[in-house]
Parts: sequence; C-alpha cells; structure tokens
Amino acid sequence: DAGVTQSPTHLIKTRGQQVTLRCSPKSGHDTVSWYQQALGQGPQFIFQYYEEEERQRGNFPDRFSGHQFPNYSSELNVNALLLGDSALYLCASSPWPSDYGYTFGSGTRLTVV
Amino acid sequence: GENVEQHPSTLSVQEGDSAVIKCTYSDSASNYFPWYKQELGKRPQLIIDIRSNVGEKKDQRIAVTLNKTAKHFSLHITETQPEDSAVYFCAASNPEGRGSTLGRLYFGRGTQLTVWP
Repeated sequence: DAGVTQSPTHLIKTRGQQVTLRCSPKSGHDTVSWYQQALGQGPQFIFQYYEEEERQRGNFPDRFSGHQFPNYSSELNVNALLLGDSALYLCASSPWPSDYGYTFGSGTRLTVV
Repeated sequence: GENVEQHPSTLSVQEGDSAVIKCTYSDSASNYFPWYKQELGKRPQLIIDIRSNVGEKKDQRIAVTLNKTAKHFSLHITETQPEDSAVYFCAASNPEGRGSTLGRLYFGRGTQLTVWP
C-alpha cells in the first residue's frame, strides 16, 4: 500500500519565479493538507483540500494556491517566490472529515536563491 | 487560534535514561494530541497519540499523559536508545470540530533529542 507520495524531492528556484509541488495521497484518503516547515520549526498549516475545494486555510498569503484533482491528488503553487519561502513542504493525507489518520509524505525541499 | 508551546527545545540524555518532553496548548476545544518523530531529512512519523477522554496512554517504551484542566500533555520515553535520537513534535487539533480549527494540526516548535551511547 503506497503512502503519501510527493514530487519533486528537491527544487531550487530563483526569487520571483513560480513553483508547483505535487502530492498523491495514501490509498483510501480523500483529503489533502499542505504544511510548510521552515528550518528548525514545526510544520505550519497552509491549506486543506477536500472534494476539489479549499476547505481550510492557514495564515499564508494569496501567493500560495492549490488544487485538488478528481483522483484526490493535489498541487501546491507558489507565485513570486521570496527567499523566505525556502522550506520543506509537506503534504499530509487523511480521510474526511477527521485528521485522526494523518499520514505525511517525505516532503519537497524548496530552496529559493 | 490554537497555540502550542513545547519544551525543551533540546534534550540530551544518556542511553538507558528517561526523556520527558512537555507541551501546553491554549484552545480548550482541542481534543486530539499526536506526537511525531522526525529524523533528519525524513517525514514526520506518528509515534503515539492521545484523545481527550483518556489521561494516559502507553506503547512499550513510550507514554503520553494529558491534563485537560491544565491544558498540558507530555511525552515520556523510557530506556532511551541511540536510535531514539530525532526531533520530536507535539501537536493539537480538533478533528471533529467545526469552524476554523477543523482539519488542521497545530505543532509545537520541536525538541531535538540526542541519546548518547
């Protein structure tokens, strides 16, 4: 049984560029949440998708947007990258509506130079 | 929103000793408290969790206690081993609640545990 799969594993971008990160949830999970983990910090909630809609959003600017596809996979898009966007981006899947069964992916390490 | 504080930020113990990590939370609506272990460069992995209707839960060398009145919960690791070395995160959530807290975990800032052989 495949867990949560994220791609790419590492990415280097230049300030001002745009980036798209991808996530495939664990089999049987229909809800995807995205977290940003800066170096030395705990993960911070970005947003959550269920039924192809954004259901919850954390304190992140509109430069962060997402999408969920009919197969439950999800994308995280970040526009106009800033140096401060450098972080590990984690995708977590769970069954709706609860997060008791949270499973994290291995993350995408984004470096903005 | 919820605010989770975690202490200490670093913890060094000798192999075989016990380690205790403490967390406090602010939102009385939180009722689910998972603990995650994150090894360098790897994903956070759930090691134990506790729900608000339980005061203590144990799984082999790991135990978690919860005091809802004081809004704090703790992770206890006994007979520590070098492979326990990692960053540990506590978190709080309200999985079945409604409104702004549904569907998100609020994490502490993490504790770097080092177990010396």
